[in-house]
Amino acid sequence: SQTIHQWPATLVQPVGSPLSLECTVEGTSNPNLYWYRQAAGRGLQLLFYSVGIGQISSEVPQNLSASRPQDRQFILSSKKLLLSDSGFYLCAWSQVGVRGNTEAFFGQGTRLTVV
Amino acid sequence: AQSVAQPEDQVNVAEGNPLTVKCTYSVSGNPYLFWYVQYPNRGLQFLLKYITGDNLVKGSYGFEAEFNKSQTSFHLKKPSALVSDSALYFCAVRDILFNNNNDMRFGAGTRLTVKP
Repeated sequence: SQTIHQWPATLVQPVGSPLSLECTVEGTSNPNLYWYRQAAGRGLQLLFYSVGIGQISSEVPQNLSASRPQDRQFILSSKKLLLSDSGFYLCAWSQVGVRGNTEAFFGQGTRLTVV
Repeated sequence: AQSVAQPEDQVNVAEGNPLTVKCTYSVSGNPYLFWYVQYPNRGLQFLLKYITGDNLVKGSYGFEAEFNKSQTSFHLKKPSALVSDSALYFCAVRDILFNNNNDMRFGAGTRLTVKP
């Protein structure tokens, strides 16, 4: 069966410090991978998605970047965190389906607080 | 462009009563529709999806949803609510017209509280 691992679960970082959140998927190959941000326990904002190694698409311009160095590894980074980067970050994967008919499976999330 | 709306921020029901969490969508083509549930400080869990076929879709934990094309709705329902159903519920959509596996849009979420 497939599993998704996301870490750390919580993180407190000072403004201006770098960020690296990691997500890995097991039990599948060539998944679509996603990073979402959830602010204040409400709606999800799609930040990045990837359809393959080294292929990253960004949904919104921001202080963050993403990389996919391996097929099942997805990393969210920042060189200098801002207070507004605080939030709940969720990694997700989905199989490559027929015209988007596959559901996404989510990691447990990382609660990032920038102080 | 594709989008979903969840018109209710909060839904309160008594345990044992039926529950409905509303979702409406907007797409250019035909939609794929999904429901997820989120418990505090956790990731989202997939409940059910509508792809094609029967408009009534049954999912996990006794939930079901009905696709209504004329009303562009996909409301989540359960005949008898449990206190443990209390959580945040998200509706999501993909527009198959764009043949895009990558862009799943989520609603703002509805907080369901089931009182004993």
